[in-house]
Amino acid sequence: EVQLVESGGGLVQPGGSLRLSCAASGFTLSNYWIHWVRQVPGKGLVWVARIKSDGFSTTYADSVKGRFTISRDNAENTLYLQMNSLRVEDTAVYYCARDKGSSTPLDTWGQGALVTVSS
Amino acid sequence: DIQMTQSPSSLPASVGDSVTITCRASENIFSYLNWYQQKPGKAPRLLIYAASNLESGVPSRFSGGGSNTHFTLTIGGLQPEDFGTYYCQHSYYFGQGTHLEI
Repeated sequence: EVQLVESGGGLVQPGGSLRLSCAASGFTLSNYWIHWVRQVPGKGLVWVARIKSDGFSTTYADSVKGRFTISRDNAENTLYLQMNSLRVEDTAVYYCARDKGSSTPLDTWGQGALVTVSS
Repeated sequence: DIQMTQSPSSLPASVGDSVTITCRASENIFSYLNWYQQKPGKAPRLLIYAASNLESGVPSRFSGGGSNTHFTLTIGGLQPEDFGTYYCQHSYYFGQGTHLEI
């Protein structure tokens, strides 16, 4: 079964750091572009970042550029989102999602990881 | 940045109805438009990709159309399980969502 499973969410103080993991099963992460999308509970979907299949090309939303970093461990078939200098407004459920093609359709999503930034 | 605008924001409907949700892009996006369904507490689910292609496993009562800047998602013969919020998406940009209330 094709699946993504996030972990690593939690409560962190403003200015702190957190690393989310996105473990893939049933397919090889390095063959796909993978995106992170976040959602404040009760609000809409907001794109955060993506990594291409080459593992090097990354793009970030302006709101997280310079603070968030995507990386990938091919041996573990796992993607990471390192979040530094966290702000209250980064509080959200974070999803990783697989991009299956030319119109950026996200066909497989993780269950989401809640990140709460609060003092 | 491209703006994706959905209408309506909220859509009350009854089982058996046919409903249409509209998504407009602020510039020509050709057919690069996807639709998702999301239920409370769950991840989004891909319904339609590239404007009109039905994702595997999605019931045929869902259909997508349009091109350039104007797109539609139609659900023919609403079922109780179709309630939820629907989003359109182009690349890094999502619409604000349409809440379908059965």
